Formats: sequence, C-alpha cells, structure tokens
Amino acid sequence: ETGVTQSPTHLIKTRGQQVTLRCSSQSGHNTVSWYQQALGQGPQFIFQYYREEENGRGNFPPRFSGLQFPNYSSELNVNALELDDSALYLCASSLGQPGGTDTQYFGPGTRLTVL
Amino acid sequence: LAKTTQPISMDSYEGQEVNITCSHNNIATNDYITWYQQFPSQGPRFIIQGYKTKVTNEVASLFIPADRKSSTLSLPRVSLSDTAVYYCLVGGLDRGSTLGRLYFGRGTQLTVWP
Repeated sequence: ETGVTQSPTHLIKTRGQQVTLRCSSQSGHNTVSWYQQALGQGPQFIFQYYREEENGRGNFPPRFSGLQFPNYSSELNVNALELDDSALYLCASSLGQPGGTDTQYFGPGTRLTVL
Repeated sequence: LAKTTQPISMDSYEGQEVNITCSHNNIATNDYITWYQQFPSQGPRFIIQGYKTKVTNEVASLFIPADRKSSTLSLPRVSLSDTAVYYCLVGGLDRGSTLGRLYFGRGTQLTVWP
C-alpha cells in the first residue's frame, strides 16, 4: 500500500467525450505526477504539479490538463477523447525533495477505455 | 535524459538469484539510477535507488560500476510472486528545477517458474 488512491478504477467513454480522473496523494506530498500507460508499454509522463502549479509537461496535447488542490488531491482531465487515449492512467505522489532522490509512490491506476 | 536499455524478458526458477542489467551509456553526472517493479494492472512500486557502487535493502541489491554506464538489479532467491515487469530509470534534477520526473522504457518482464 502506497497511500495513493485513484478513482474510478475503470471507466468507459466514447470518442469525443470528456473525462476526469481523480487521485488522492499521500499526506504531506506536495508533488503529483500523472502518467499514461498503454498496453505493453512503460508509463509515459504526462505532467507534474508542485504546490498546485504545473511544473513540467511531457509530449501530450493541451486537451490533457490537470489540477492539484491543497488537500493533496488532484485531477487529470482529458477533452475530446480519442481511441488512442485508452490506457491505464497512473498518478504518483512524492515529497518533492531536491537532489534527484525523490521517490514517487504510485496509485493503482484508472483503466480508461474509449469506444 | 539518459536512455536505458534492458532485456525485454527473463526467465528464472524459484529460489534462484536473478540479475537484470540495464545499460545507460549517456548517464549524466547528477543522474540517479532507480528501479521499479510493476504487477499487471497496478502502479509501479519503488524497489531501490543508487548513485554509485552498491546499494542493498531488504528486497534487492543494486550494483553500479565506477563508470556508471550500466547497473545490475539483483533479486536474491526469487519466488513466484516476483513475476513482474522491472523498469530501470535514470534521471535526476531537471535543468533549473529541483524536482525529478520519471521516464520509463518498456522494462524487463521477469517470469519465475516453479
């Protein structure tokens, strides 16, 4: 158990719809990162939030957006869903320690299927 | 960001020691080496992290040679429950940032047989 929870566990949407995925970080963790993991691939970095501001972004279009709240929860929003958005979406929280040793704790993920 | 290369798959038997080697020829001075384990439909789980020489914890050891261009994750006496995908990651501080991000490759699928 990492103390990171995600909801919902599974979700089915149709192309063009919008979806919001939620994550609850470990208490005290001021950094949350979101990843997309397609079947058979490693997780791909979407973006990271630090103290409620976006701190960096991977190679994902603007229709992927996020929010981080003061209560250690966060959201990933995806607009205009495409079939290729079908994947496991993971959030990971960390203390945000400098020095490159920042261990990230992953939640169980949300399995999104776009039909 | 340093690219990593690791075997796609490995097989072992219960009770054996497993060594998974990762190549990272372009590792930067401030990069750390981190290994994660992932079971199907679960998030990755941190195993071990190191910078140089040898690091050991209750589940694994990490061997890093002096040139740091490779690293080896050693799992002693594996069991069936160690069947998982193992990811080697290399990274550290982003330029101008105090926070690190994780870039995963495809990992190594370890299968442990009875």
